[in-house]
Amino acid sequence: DAKTTQPNSMESNEEEPVHLPCNHSTISGTDYIHWYRQLPSQGPEYVIHGLTSNVNNRMASLAIAEDRKSSTLILHRATLRDAAVYYCILKRDTNAGKSTFGDGTTLTVKP
Amino acid sequence: SQTIHQWPATLVQPVGSPLSLECTVEGTSNPNLYWYRQAAGRGLQLLFYSVGIGQISSEVPQNLSASRPQDRQFILSSKKLLLSDSGFYLCAWSVKGQSNEKLFFGSGTQLSVL
Repeated sequence: DAKTTQPNSMESNEEEPVHLPCNHSTISGTDYIHWYRQLPSQGPEYVIHGLTSNVNNRMASLAIAEDRKSSTLILHRATLRDAAVYYCILKRDTNAGKSTFGDGTTLTVKP
Repeated sequence: SQTIHQWPATLVQPVGSPLSLECTVEGTSNPNLYWYRQAAGRGLQLLFYSVGIGQISSEVPQNLSASRPQDRQFILSSKKLLLSDSGFYLCAWSVKGQSNEKLFFGSGTQLSVL
């Protein structure tokens, strides 16, 4: 899988929006962009995914650059429960689910 | 609904002892199954994946092995643990055949080899 680059850590205040960036300059045309998050001492959970268009769900929004070389996960109103490690990964549609999880971004939410 | 069970949650084992971690999935059939390991503060390293009973692919040569004796059961084993086997082990599953697979993770096993 192609690699992604994320900042090691970010901070946000509670109830403010959070924009988590991800660079994936070597993305191929069939790679989906997936985001997962991992709370302390738990397994990661799926957040959102997209291919070309921006996506919204109950958890977050995903903004994808026109050239697809970067994306941004948007949490519209951060809560203390959103404090987690956020992983941006690329998933090739012909792959049996093998994905490279980098070190992710540790999000700290301050009350 | 689908659920994934992974146990035990915590395990402390001496060097040289055997290991068996079990993962089962309910509510789905013929899933893809995965074992990952995570070092403290790091990302996930894929160890093994399986697309069917008895079919195991190893991603990283190591002291561990995996088996899938039943459709929804995935076992991670070692005959003799090393200190370097310590870590957080995660089992995951996905639906086969989707053009865009999502991964569903278990709650993990924290293994400490002393």
